[in-house]
Amino acid sequence: AQSVTQLGSHVSVSEGALVLLRCNYSSSVPPYLFWYVQYPNQGLQLLLKYTTGATLVKGINGFEAEFKKSETSFHLTKPSAHMSDAAEYFCAVSDRKRALTFGSGTRLQVQP
Amino acid sequence: GAGVSQSPSNKVTEKGKDVELRCDPISGHTALYWYRQSLGQGLEFLIYFQGNSAPDKSGLPSDRFSAERTGGSVSTLTIQRTQQEDSAVYLCASSLDPGSYTEAFFGQGTRLTVV
Repeated sequence: AQSVTQLGSHVSVSEGALVLLRCNYSSSVPPYLFWYVQYPNQGLQLLLKYTTGATLVKGINGFEAEFKKSETSFHLTKPSAHMSDAAEYFCAVSDRKRALTFGSGTRLQVQP
Repeated sequence: GAGVSQSPSNKVTEKGKDVELRCDPISGHTALYWYRQSLGQGLEFLIYFQGNSAPDKSGLPSDRFSAERTGGSVSTLTIQRTQQEDSAVYLCASSLDPGSYTEAFFGQGTRLTVV
């Protein structure tokens, strides 16, 4: 079985502040992990993914995430938030056999 | 095509009617997925097609929901006797090969409203 928990359905940060979106997963096998972003009225776009290798993964738009097996976490960070980062962010896990399982999402607000 | 195409983009239907939602995946992608996104909810897995294998239907919420994929390409999600709780955005995605887990590309979705 696989599952994802995203802590915090809404996160608000000031422009220029650190962004931290939390994701914890459960998987019976070594997982593949993903972060997707959904801008208003748009489809989902892949931000970054972890499959194997380096545990710190860099994605688009300055985002990165670190796979921590001991903590079963894959938190998403960005050093300095921009207004254009306002969107909904989804963490997802795959055991490579079944479709992606998504978390419930975190809506990021960026205050000027 | 260049991306995953879904039609219609919006559908309003009366309670009790049947609806068909179409997904045209990226050419060459063997895996196709349907998800449902309800207001304030995450993405709920519905069904997954992989090549010629039997589809994984474990996410379909009731027997009113069915899907097919013809010729390993276009997929149709059918909802019979629609109910108000079926109102949601239905998202389709495709990927090259889920075994190696390349990126899943999503369509823009079909917003279904049951009145």
